[in-house]
This record gives sequence, C-alpha cells and structure tokens, in this order.
Amino acid sequence: GAVVSQHPSRVICKSGTSVKIECRSLDFQATTMFWYRQFPKQSLMLMATSNEGSKATYEQGVEKDKFLINHASLTLSTLTVTSAHPEDSSFYICSAPLAGALYTQYFGPGTRLTVL
Amino acid sequence: AQTVTQSQPEMSVQEAETVTLSCTYDTSESNYYLFWYKQPPSRQMILVIRQEAYKQQNATENRFSVNFQKAAKSFSLKISDSQLGDTAMYFCASVQGAQKLVFGQGTRLTINP
Repeated sequence: GAVVSQHPSRVICKSGTSVKIECRSLDFQATTMFWYRQFPKQSLMLMATSNEGSKATYEQGVEKDKFLINHASLTLSTLTVTSAHPEDSSFYICSAPLAGALYTQYFGPGTRLTVL
Repeated sequence: AQTVTQSQPEMSVQEAETVTLSCTYDTSESNYYLFWYKQPPSRQMILVIRQEAYKQQNATENRFSVNFQKAAKSFSLKISDSQLGDTAMYFCASVQGAQKLVFGQGTRLTINP
C-alpha cells in the first residue's frame, strides 16, 4: 500500500520560533497533499491544500502567513509554523491522494507540536 | 458543499459482537467516493474500507462491510466478530476525485473483553 511519512513525529519549541514539518509520499507521486490539524478527541480540520509547483490553497480562517506551505516536489510538502505560540500546539497530519486507488488519501503518522 | 454526519459520539460492545456505526452525508455531486478511516490510540489514520458511489454493491473487507444506501445518503459500517484491536476512533468521509476529504465528527468505539 501507499506510504506517507512525516518528520518529526514530535517537536517541542519555544514561543516565537519557527518549526518545519515534512510530509513525504514514499512510493508514489502526489501533485496534491493536504494538511490537517487535530485537537484532542476531535475530528481532523483541514488547514490547506498543498499544490506542487504552485501556491497552497488555505481554508477559511487559516492564516497563510503563519502556516507556510511549500510543495517543492512531487513527493514532498512542508508546513512551517512561523512565530509559534502556545495556542499553535496541536497534532498536525498530512495526507496525499493516490490516483490509482479511487483517490484514496493516505495519511502520515502525524506530528505533535508543543510550543512552550 | 459536502457534509458528513456521524450521530454516535461513542459506542461500546463486547468482544466478538457485531457493531454498526452510522454515517449520513449530503452532496450534490453524482460521482464521489466514501471512506471509513480508523484512528487507533497511535493516532495513525488507517483506511478501513472504501466505496465508489456509482457502484451499487456494498464493499466488504474481511470483517468490515458497509451498507451503502445511495438514495438515503447513508453509509454505515458493520464490524463483525469485533476484536480488542478494533478499539479506535472511526471517521466517515467523502470526497470528489482528488479533492479534499470531508470528515464526520467521529465515533469512539470501545471493544470490551
């Protein structure tokens, strides 16, 4: 099956610093990837759609200057949380659709971000 | 816009029992896909089963099967012979092509020994 990796799995940073999270499709190419945020005991909230070679599309209410997304290749998307604050602490998950599998989205294992 | 609704926040059954999780959706599209994902305590999202909307036959994957009622816009998941490892959050989702998934609120399923 299709595999999506995320790095790091956990990160702790100080308030005001920036953190980069990588999402890679290991055995397939993805022109589109998605970034979600999940609060405890809640569903996944879509933050943005990452498009290879073009600008990301952000959902309403998501600050594009705070959550920078770069989709530099067909297998890599990055999410950078800039000037992180404690309220940005959350679980971040990426996914990528596989065209040959009914556009099934395969998910990375997630990244837990803690901002002190 | 698509919406997905899961009306059962929590469910609990004994091991080996059968359990059905409910899901309803709303879409104006004629071609779409439906999914059930499982999120165990590790928080890794795992695909359980998927259904193409234009296929009338209900999808099955071993102990997991769906009851897809297109006219009623219902997509329930049945887990037979439930196992302790089935304990997880279950999310129903729909998508149109390579577009964004729309998730339901989730159902927390606990399998008791």
